[in-house]
Amino acid sequence: GENVEQHPSTLSVQEGDSAVIKCTYSDSASNYFPWYKQELGKRPQLIIDIRSNVGEKKDQRIAVTLNKTAKHFSLHITETQPEDSAVYFCAASRGPLSGGYNKLIFGAGTRLAVHP
Amino acid sequence: AAGVIQSPRHLIKEKRETATLKCYPIPRHDTVYWYQQGPGQDPQFLISFYEKMQSDKGSIPDRFSAQQFSDYHSELNMSSLELGDSALYFCASTHEASVNEQFFGPGTRLTVL
Repeated sequence: GENVEQHPSTLSVQEGDSAVIKCTYSDSASNYFPWYKQELGKRPQLIIDIRSNVGEKKDQRIAVTLNKTAKHFSLHITETQPEDSAVYFCAASRGPLSGGYNKLIFGAGTRLAVHP
Repeated sequence: AAGVIQSPRHLIKEKRETATLKCYPIPRHDTVYWYQQGPGQDPQFLISFYEKMQSDKGSIPDRFSAQQFSDYHSELNMSSLELGDSALYFCASTHEASVNEQFFGPGTRLTVL
C-alpha cells in the first residue's frame, strides 16, 4: 500500500548547523512531495514542495532534493535557528489529479530541536 | 487573504455522544480533504470531496460520515464517540484547476472523555 517512511524521528542540532531529514515513498505513482512544519497544536504549514519533474529546489535556507528512481526525497535546512525548532513532516501524493484524489500520505514526522 | 475556517476550534464530548465538525474552504476552492491527527502522530487522510461529491476515502470509521454542501463547506459527523477519537481534525482545501497545494485550516481539537 501507500507508505512514506521518514528518518530520523528526532534531530538535535546546534544553532548554525545544518539539518537533513530523509523520506522514502512506496507509491511509484507519486508526483508531488511537500514538506510541512508543524508547531505544537497548530496547523501544518507548507515550507517547500517539489514535483517529480524537478530534482532539486531551493528557497533561501531550505532545499529539497528528489531521487525518483530510488523513491527518496530529502529536506535540507542550513544555518539553523532556534525558531526552526518544530516537527517536520514529509508527504507524497499522486497529484496533479482532478476530482479530489490528491490525498497526502505523510511520514511519521521529525522533531527538530535547534539549541542556541 | 481568506483562509480555511474550521469550527468549533475545541470540542469536548463524552463517550457515545455525537459531534459535528465544520469546514469552510477558501473562496472558489472546490475540493476539501479531511485529516485526523492523533497525539504525536502524523495526519491521516479520512475523506475528500470535489464539487459536492465524495471523491476518495481513507481510514474513516463507519461511525463517521461527511458531506460537502452547495456552498462548498463540508461537515464531518462523528457518532458513538470513543476515547480513541480524541485528536486534531484538519480540513484542507484546494482548487483543482491549480497546483497540488492544500491549504490547511487551524483544526478542531476534539477531546472525548
